Amino acid sequence: ETGVTQTPRHLVMGMTNKKSLKCEQHLGHNAMYWYKQSAKKPLELMFVYNFKEQTENNSVPSRFSPECPNSSHLFLHLHTLQPEDSALYLCASSLAGPSYNEQFFGPGTRLTVL
Amino acid sequence: AQTVTQSQPEMSVQEAETVTLSCTYDTSESDYYLFWYKQPPSRQMILVIRQEAYKQQNATENRFSVNFQKAAKSFSLKISDSQLGDAAMYFCAYRSAVGDKLIFGTGTRLQVFP
Repeated sequence: ETGVTQTPRHLVMGMTNKKSLKCEQHLGHNAMYWYKQSAKKPLELMFVYNFKEQTENNSVPSRFSPECPNSSHLFLHLHTLQPEDSALYLCASSLAGPSYNEQFFGPGTRLTVL
Repeated sequence: AQTVTQSQPEMSVQEAETVTLSCTYDTSESDYYLFWYKQPPSRQMILVIRQEAYKQQNATENRFSVNFQKAAKSFSLKISDSQLGDAAMYFCAYRSAVGDKLIFGTGTRLQVFP
């Protein structure tokens, strides 16, 4: 596998389910990000991890719980979601440091909450 | 807070022609970076081109170039000799020189006709 991978690619869940999204990067990066992409809205940054430490939480509801066990893996644990949480969830990675550094994106997980 | 505005939800261009996508942003910062990302249908978002605000020279990457007008806070993308593979959503993004947050516009869907 190369680049940034995400699993699953598609997920349908009920509001009472618990599920997790997984992201893995094979680029030797040390910063990882979760974004939410909804139709007709700008991509929203959710969380940022630098060297496994969370450095940004963009006022995300607690029903979304991130986990970064190491610099290569990032999870988003989902619990008691709402239908408005249906969206494409994108993971990205980069080298930490200068803002010039390019973020590399994964293909996303298409989440549908029933 | 910084904002990014893309006023063209959709654009179309004929193959081999030139098209310009508009982007404006609002910031009180003097040092920052601007990016154009491309998201083809059902494929990963990739970086097209980036510009450092302290550089007056407009960035160029093969058929892609930008018109960066710092005083006007404008950052348009010009695609020359358009190809069918250029069809995608194009996102303009802003990143402060300090911090991890990448702020995106709502995107412009580009169609390329043969």
